[in-house]
Amino acid sequence: DSGVTQTPKHLITATGQRVTLRCSPRSGDLSVYWYQQSLDQGLQFLIQYYNGEERAKGNILERFSAQQFPDLHSELNLSSLELGDSALYFCASSVAPGSPGHYEQYFGPGTRLTVT
Amino acid sequence: GENVEQHPSTLSVQEGDSAVIKCTYSDSASNYFPWYKQELGKRPQLIIDIRSNVGEKKDQRIAVTLNKTAKHFSLHITETQPEDSAVYFCAASLPGNQFYFGTGTSLTVIP
Repeated sequence: DSGVTQTPKHLITATGQRVTLRCSPRSGDLSVYWYQQSLDQGLQFLIQYYNGEERAKGNILERFSAQQFPDLHSELNLSSLELGDSALYFCASSVAPGSPGHYEQYFGPGTRLTVT
Repeated sequence: GENVEQHPSTLSVQEGDSAVIKCTYSDSASNYFPWYKQELGKRPQLIIDIRSNVGEKKDQRIAVTLNKTAKHFSLHITETQPEDSAVYFCAASLPGNQFYFGTGTSLTVIP
């Protein structure tokens, strides 16, 4: 158990709908990262937050957005869902930059999204 | 951004043999290179990592080497066991700590 939690574990929804995935980082971690893992594209970095602020964006679609709240949990919002959005969505967390071990990211168990 | 290539995509070895997985990266600013092991349907788990100021690191049966000049790094697993069977991902991290992953290697250790 990495200490990173994600809810829900599974989500089944229809095309065109909107869903919210939730992530709670390890205690004390200030950075949260979101990744998408699909069969044909592997693990792709979507977005990074640090202490409530967006830090970096990767291959995140405009239909997707995220935020990190004052209690440091993060939510990934996916809207106008398409069949191709079906994937495993992982979040990961790490300690503050400059802290010992800040390079290491610990992954949550993931949310499996199925769009029908 | 960073582009990471990983080879081979599948690898089968006999139990007790060694396994080697290779990755290349494109951005010379990348400074941290973790390796993750992922079992089917589970989270990626960090197994070993190396920073750009180090050429080699070993942890029991697992070792990683880094060649910054050639921009490639490799995972070596010795004395493989059936429980080593999984998908292995390499990653390269830019200074902001964003990870860019390779496409994965499915390792099968045959008893």
